[in-house]
Amino acid sequence: ETGVTQTPRHLVMGMTNKKSLKCEQHLGHNAMYWYKQSAKKPLELMFVYSLEERVENNSVPSRFSPECPNSSHLFLHLHTLQPEDSALYLCASSQSTVMNTEAFFGQGTRLTVV
Amino acid sequence: GNSVTQMEGPVTLSEEAFLTINCTYTATGYPSLFWYVQYPGEGLQLLLKATKADDKGSNKGFEATYRKETTSFHLEKGSVQVSDSAVYFCALATSGTYKYIFGTGTRLKVLA
Repeated sequence: ETGVTQTPRHLVMGMTNKKSLKCEQHLGHNAMYWYKQSAKKPLELMFVYSLEERVENNSVPSRFSPECPNSSHLFLHLHTLQPEDSALYLCASSQSTVMNTEAFFGQGTRLTVV
Repeated sequence: GNSVTQMEGPVTLSEEAFLTINCTYTATGYPSLFWYVQYPGEGLQLLLKATKADDKGSNKGFEATYRKETTSFHLEKGSVQVSDSAVYFCALATSGTYKYIFGTGTRLKVLA
């Protein structure tokens, strides 16, 4: 148990569906992250929120829409995805985006787009 | 820009063998360095870290020393077990950025 919980663990969706991934942390951290992990590719940072404000958006397609309603929760809203979006989506949190502290990861959501 | 380079896998070892996974980095400033481990079907777990030059991080028999002169943070373990089979990621973070930069990961397979 890392303190970062992601739901669902597995998701299969069609290209016309709309779904959301949820991430919750109870570590008192003030920064939260979405990463994409695809087979045979490095981890890709997608979004970063600091104190509920988006501070990083790494050229992610608009079919991925993040939401951070408070410092404990982070969502990734998905719509009209493509098969190449199938991957493991990892949420992480950290104590501060300034100090050199480690990030804590959730167990990930395995997304399959059909 | 900042980057992390780690050795290509997979690495296959017999139980009780010595493990080294190489990691070198490029960074401006003074980064903190991390090793994460990912077991099948799971997220990344912090294995160890070092925040300044010459620091040695250690956990569960794994060690890594922050070498500023060679910009390296190699992971070592004296005697691996089958349960150590996983993917290992080297990473860095610098002050003033929001990015944890990860290497591509090295898959370790330990045979009984």
